[in-house]
Amino acid sequence: GAGVSQSPSNKVTEKGKDVELRCDPISGHTALYWYRQSLGQGLEFLIYFQGNSAPDKSGLPSDRFSAERTGGSVSTLTIQRTQQEDSAVYLCASSLARGHTQYFGPGTRLTVL
Amino acid sequence: KQEVTQIPAALSVPEGENLVLNCSFTDSAIYNLQWFRQDPGKGLTSLLLIQSSQREQTSGRLNASLDKSSGRSTLYIAASQPGDSATYLCAVGGNKLVFGAGTILRVKS
Repeated sequence: GAGVSQSPSNKVTEKGKDVELRCDPISGHTALYWYRQSLGQGLEFLIYFQGNSAPDKSGLPSDRFSAERTGGSVSTLTIQRTQQEDSAVYLCASSLARGHTQYFGPGTRLTVL
Repeated sequence: KQEVTQIPAALSVPEGENLVLNCSFTDSAIYNLQWFRQDPGKGLTSLLLIQSSQREQTSGRLNASLDKSSGRSTLYIAASQPGDSATYLCAVGGNKLVFGAGTILRVKS
């Protein structure tokens, strides 16, 4: 079946612009996660959605970052007023439920000039 | 705060060798532990998940063990092949995973 998909695969933007990254999880998966992978920091958790519960936003690095999940399916990660330190690969994952295997998408490579 | 360490950082072996990758974590109160592989420019592929109540999991040539009391996990790869070349990551947690920095494996033909 279809895996986790993310779009765009690459995004180049100018400092100060807003960007939106999209994630389509595996159908039927109730949990959705966003992570960031950068050279200096490795893989870091950003935010977690589980069903209709309030998301766990404890990993978001600043209030410029936000995410939503509409209809319990597609999720959008928004970064406002992008900074050069936001340059990284943003990975989305989904799982059947909490504690189950997380399946990752191919990522979106964000470059902020 | 949970911290995950992977040793070695890089490993180069000839084809056919058996090898062990190590992962250690500071907080033994984990929900589960996952091993992933990442190919250059790609996302992560899940290899094995070990629940906190389990001691090991096996899939084909891969075997992962978990010792919560000592805060350690090992990934054993039997009869390594060039196609096994990748970065191997371990991660602990139930929802928000905490990742190690990875072991870069190169299997030479």
